[in-house]
Amino acid sequence: NAGVMQNPRHLVRRRGQEARLRCSPMKGHSHVYWYRQLPEEGLKFMVYLQKENIIDESGMPKERFSAEFPKEGPSILRIQQVVRGDSAAYFCASSPLQGNGYTFGSGTRLTVV
Amino acid sequence: AQRVTQPEKLLSVFKGAPVELKCNYSYSGSPELFWYVQYSRQRLQLLLRHISRESIKGFTADLNKGETSFHLKKPFAQEEDSAMYYCALTYGNKLVFGAGTILRVKS
Repeated sequence: NAGVMQNPRHLVRRRGQEARLRCSPMKGHSHVYWYRQLPEEGLKFMVYLQKENIIDESGMPKERFSAEFPKEGPSILRIQQVVRGDSAAYFCASSPLQGNGYTFGSGTRLTVV
Repeated sequence: AQRVTQPEKLLSVFKGAPVELKCNYSYSGSPELFWYVQYSRQRLQLLLRHISRESIKGFTADLNKGETSFHLKKPFAQEEDSAMYYCALTYGNKLVFGAGTILRVKS
């Protein structure tokens, strides 16, 4: 079992471009969570998804950010028209049950130049 | 509001010295608390959960509901303990994290 796989590990985007971050959960896990880690801050919850459904997006910025977890394939966190303030590490976690048994990926470090 | 506070950004100790990483929380109800560790920009790993009351890598943490604390302790620090440590609690679907404490163990 390869664990939670996130790619890319590092992503550089110019201001105004789009960033797409991918997360493949552990085998058998149908719950996916995205967290953002800003410099000097802890991880902040962004969104919780189950297959094809967004369950809780209370931590997602209202604009430019979206997430999906299709029936087939990885979960995608999409940031449109990136700005410098989006530079952060984005971590994905998956679990077999809601809110229990989290396993984290290695994260994607987004740098906006 | 649910909140986790880790008052120290950085804790620096010598090898063999005792370690205590502080964590306080605010939560209306019975919290489920965790300690996670992140070594040198690797993935977060679960270190402890208060429900299991186990000791991992020599670390222990006791939930003190009166003081709303869940401090992480180790009697003798080792150099390989150097890492970022996060205290977290479960709230509904999500984990609420503290800001983290960097532990540096000097030889």
